[in-house]
Amino acid sequence: GAVVSQHPSWVICKSGTSVKIECRSLDFQATTMFWYRQFPKQSLMLMATSNEGSKATYEQGVEKDKFLINHASLTLSTLTVTSAHPEDSSFYICSAGKSLASQETQYFGPGTRLLVL
Amino acid sequence: KNEVEQSPQNLTAQEGEFITINCSYSVGISALHWLQQHPGGGIVSLFMLSSGKKKHGRLIATINIQEKHSSLHITASHPRDSAVYICAVVSNFGNEKLTFGTGTRLTIIP
Repeated sequence: GAVVSQHPSWVICKSGTSVKIECRSLDFQATTMFWYRQFPKQSLMLMATSNEGSKATYEQGVEKDKFLINHASLTLSTLTVTSAHPEDSSFYICSAGKSLASQETQYFGPGTRLLVL
Repeated sequence: KNEVEQSPQNLTAQEGEFITINCSYSVGISALHWLQQHPGGGIVSLFMLSSGKKKHGRLIATINIQEKHSSLHITASHPRDSAVYICAVVSNFGNEKLTFGTGTRLTIIP
């Protein structure tokens, strides 16, 4: 199978601090990783698409200076929430794309729950 | 109107019942995913379909490309199947972005 990990799984921080979330594909190389955000009882919302070695593509309404994405290797992408505020409290999920029989599928990480006080 | 619609939004059933969750979409797609999200939040990819039918254990997924419709069936349902089931499509515009349905919250009562 294909395993994607996220670290940390939980983070509580004070308003104004920056928080880094890591997403790793453990047993495959992912040229593309996706970052999602999910509010309670709502569906996932794509924040950005991250390709290894290039700048991330952000969805409309997502501030690139607020949510910094770095995809430094084929197995690691990081999302940094800069100067976090309570409204950034959410569940952040990454997924990693893998080609399977000429089709691209996505494998999801377990998510990171962020609470900003 | 959302591009991906699921029904029902909530479903409660007795253990052992046959479950059907439906997904309709309005865009051209290259693939459709069925995902399972447990209360802890983690998401598991159940199926990826581009045509026909797939089966894994007690789970069956079908897709009708002409009708733009997919169904997820669970046979002999069990309380551990309680979760939110999400349908997501990959449009055929060439990127890999998923468009998600709003999910179906399934509760199986022992």
